[in-house]
Amino acid sequence: GAGVSQTPSNKVTEKGKYVELRCDPISGHTALYWYRQSLGQGPEFLIYFQGTGAADDSGLPNDRFFAVRPEGSVSTLKIQRTERGDSAVYLCASSFLAGGRTDTQYFGPGTRLTVL
Amino acid sequence: AQSVAQPEDQVNVAEGNPLTVKCTYSVSGNPYLFWYVQYPNRGLQFLLKYITGDNLVKGSYGFEAEFNKSQTSFHLKKPSALVSDSALYFCAVRDTNQAGTALIFGKGTTLSVSS
Repeated sequence: GAGVSQTPSNKVTEKGKYVELRCDPISGHTALYWYRQSLGQGPEFLIYFQGTGAADDSGLPNDRFFAVRPEGSVSTLKIQRTERGDSAVYLCASSFLAGGRTDTQYFGPGTRLTVL
Repeated sequence: AQSVAQPEDQVNVAEGNPLTVKCTYSVSGNPYLFWYVQYPNRGLQFLLKYITGDNLVKGSYGFEAEFNKSQTSFHLKKPSALVSDSALYFCAVRDTNQAGTALIFGKGTTLSVSS
């Protein structure tokens, strides 16, 4: 596709529920990133995929958060037992070269998650 | 630890005037520096980056940024602001001494251009 796409654009759920957020990166990009942006803050890194494997998951806040990228393209961020503090905009980004530190990351429009 | 500071929450400028959005960084190695812009309900759009070489970097929509190693700064500039430049601007850094490729972002600066 032309850019990074994310679905859904908005997700409202109740405390304790399970949610899945999907990211479709730019075609041909091998690296995929998830960030979380809370109100009034800059994006914070969650996890980075190099192909199918998570190369760096140091930003995941706890074991309720998990992400997969089974075929090296689309990725799903999964949040179990959601809490009100999980409410944020979840951003996905992709870049061409896996492990390329000079690479530009291109961001999707984000999924706004609201936990009631 | 690596970090980015955007000291101004908001910058106000009149259309046609020059604008500057400030960014300072702290890294242990050499920095890779990026500017992104975010419009309401939209994702971050890449503006420009500094990797190496010329300290003045030119980017999209007439924006440029100047890398100053001694002042550890990477301020975003534009000679003549447009009302359509009004948005939220983020500076980000990658530290060459750190493993991984994640970006560290500042808190953002809201630019408001009045007509």
